[in-house]
Amino acid sequence: DAKTTQPTSMDCAEGRAANLPCNHSTISGNEYVYWYRQIHSQGPQYIIHGLKNNETNEMASLIITEDRKSSTLILPHATLRDTAVYYCIVRVGPGNTPLVFGKGTRLSVIA
Amino acid sequence: EAQVTQNPRYLITVTGKKLTVTCSQNMNHEYMSWYRQDPGLGLRQIYYSMNVEVTDKGDVPEGYKVSRKEKRNFPLILESPSPNQTSLYFCASSLRSGAGTEAFFGQGTRLTVV
Repeated sequence: DAKTTQPTSMDCAEGRAANLPCNHSTISGNEYVYWYRQIHSQGPQYIIHGLKNNETNEMASLIITEDRKSSTLILPHATLRDTAVYYCIVRVGPGNTPLVFGKGTRLSVIA
Repeated sequence: EAQVTQNPRYLITVTGKKLTVTCSQNMNHEYMSWYRQDPGLGLRQIYYSMNVEVTDKGDVPEGYKVSRKEKRNFPLILESPSPNQTSLYFCASSLRSGAGTEAFFGQGTRLTVV
């Protein structure tokens, strides 16, 4: 699986959009980009995933660059409950591959 | 409600005393796995199972066993726990392995071995 690079930490004001970047310059054509988050020591929570196209769901939007070497997770209106560690993961498929969690980005949403 | 349930949530035990951490999912998922999380090392996969009676080692399997006799259950067994197995453990399941599928995680089991 491709390696990802994320900033160690970020701050965001409550109510503003949080934009979390991720670099995956060695991503291959059959690898998806996944985002998970972990609030304190709870189990990781799936947010969104994508292959080439931008994706949106009720939690967030995922913007993937045309060359697929980077992506941005957007939380449109961050709340205090969005404070968590956010993990960007690229994962090949089909077949078994574990989710390889890096160190992620610690997002602090500030009132 | 779709969920992955782990028990116990917290456990303190002594070195060498066999223990089992249970994991159950109600989503009819084929794929289940166990992770451990340690400060500075992140989440690492211990074992996984593609389906009933099919299990395989992850990145850090030493000192652990698993079984998959039923689709919904995937217990983690520590035959002779040691202090270096003190960690936060997560069970996860997904509909199938590979890309394009989301994984559901349990709430975690914090294990302390003294």
